[in-house]
Amino acid sequence: EADIYQTPRYLVIGTGKKITLECSQTMGHDKMYWYQQDPGMELHLIHYSYGVNSTEKGDLSSESTVSRIRTEHFPLTLESARPSHTSQYLCASTRNRGNTGELFFGEGSRLTVL
Amino acid sequence: AQSVTQLGSHVSVSEGALVLLRCNYSSSVPPYLFWYVQYPNQGLQLLLKYTTGATLVKGINGFEAEFKKSETSFHLTKPSAHMSDAAEYFCAVSERRGTGFQKLVFGTGTRLLVSP
Repeated sequence: EADIYQTPRYLVIGTGKKITLECSQTMGHDKMYWYQQDPGMELHLIHYSYGVNSTEKGDLSSESTVSRIRTEHFPLTLESARPSHTSQYLCASTRNRGNTGELFFGEGSRLTVL
Repeated sequence: AQSVTQLGSHVSVSEGALVLLRCNYSSSVPPYLFWYVQYPNQGLQLLLKYTTGATLVKGINGFEAEFKKSETSFHLTKPSAHMSDAAEYFCAVSERRGTGFQKLVFGTGTRLLVSP
């Protein structure tokens, strides 16, 4: 059973507000990811990290930023939320050894920007 | 680059009927293939995966998939659908990048509807 947690699960916020989506995992995984998911669309990788102090942008351009100060923690921040940021954000991690690409997902954070 | 095509955004079956969700992939190297399931308002959960070895892979909840290299397919099946199988199903292929980094490329998903 994967132990990866996201908060908040649901967030409704006004335009211009700063938000941080939290993601924590207790498995000691080095590699962590943020995916953006819109209805009827494939999941798009927006950020990933190889480990502490490592962050990279994914395939889909995003105005969000991430940080990785601790192995277990990979928060995503939007400095000024806009309605176009309304989406579901999924955090995931992968094993350090024997990595075939299998992802362990959190339950997601659904963001609505009014 | 790898890619995944899932035929049919929605599939409807009756309870007890066969479930067949189609997935075709493109890959220039032997692929790792995955099926994930997503229940409403939840994250994705791994159903099954193919890495090497036996081409018929069994997963959780009675699902299985067969890797067919000649057809570049990895279709998901279940002999008898249950109401609890209603969910979104995603096929994915693993793409190897530098320094051993594996990235999953997902299909657009298929919503399975099960009627009584």
